[in-house]
Amino acid sequence: GESVGLHLPTLSVQEGDNSIINCAYSNSASDYFIWYKQESGKGPQFIIDIRSNMDKRQGQRVTVLLNKTVKHLSLQIAATQPGDSAVYFCAENMGGGFKTIFGAGTRLFVKA
Amino acid sequence: DAGVTQSPTHLIKTRGQQVTLRCSPKSGHDTVSWYQQALGQGPQFIFQYYEEEERQRGNFPDRFSGHQFPNYSSELNVNALLLGDSALYLCATSGRQGDTEAFFGQGTRLTVV
Repeated sequence: GESVGLHLPTLSVQEGDNSIINCAYSNSASDYFIWYKQESGKGPQFIIDIRSNMDKRQGQRVTVLLNKTVKHLSLQIAATQPGDSAVYFCAENMGGGFKTIFGAGTRLFVKA
Repeated sequence: DAGVTQSPTHLIKTRGQQVTLRCSPKSGHDTVSWYQQALGQGPQFIFQYYEEEERQRGNFPDRFSGHQFPNYSSELNVNALLLGDSALYLCATSGRQGDTEAFFGQGTRLTVV
């Protein structure tokens, strides 16, 4: 069935280091992928997205990489800061308004 | 722009009762999706509304129903509440028939006792 999974449930990094959060997806029909950040007590916050016709997209301190061959998605956060501590979700969507499927999430801890 | 707003923020109900949750979309958005997020889990898609009709539905029983109004705001109704319905209920809105990034509200924390 359709699923979006994450390789690691918890990631701990030192402040200033780069973080990499990985995600696997199984639905080859998905053409739109999104990373969300969720802080305690808040709703998910959009970070960055990428469409299936791209393999890399950069934002401010974040980069998303998409490898369609192995159905893998990653989020890279440069110079990780304490404010980056949160749960990160990857999500996939088949576009055209279809439902978005979320993974279980990875909790990122940033050590000062 | 107030973004996506949900009400109430917290709610406690008794088993068997009914509940209505509300969502006002971000300005310019016409598509509303509802999600259930259990503690420690990712959000699970309940359904999506566009043009006042349910367009997509996830694997949730008929006890979960919704409505979208002409101003694009939406309600989620849950009947015959079960203890397992306790969760954070999230509303996400998007524009252009849902084919854009979704913005989430802060959620409604429902506790069923």
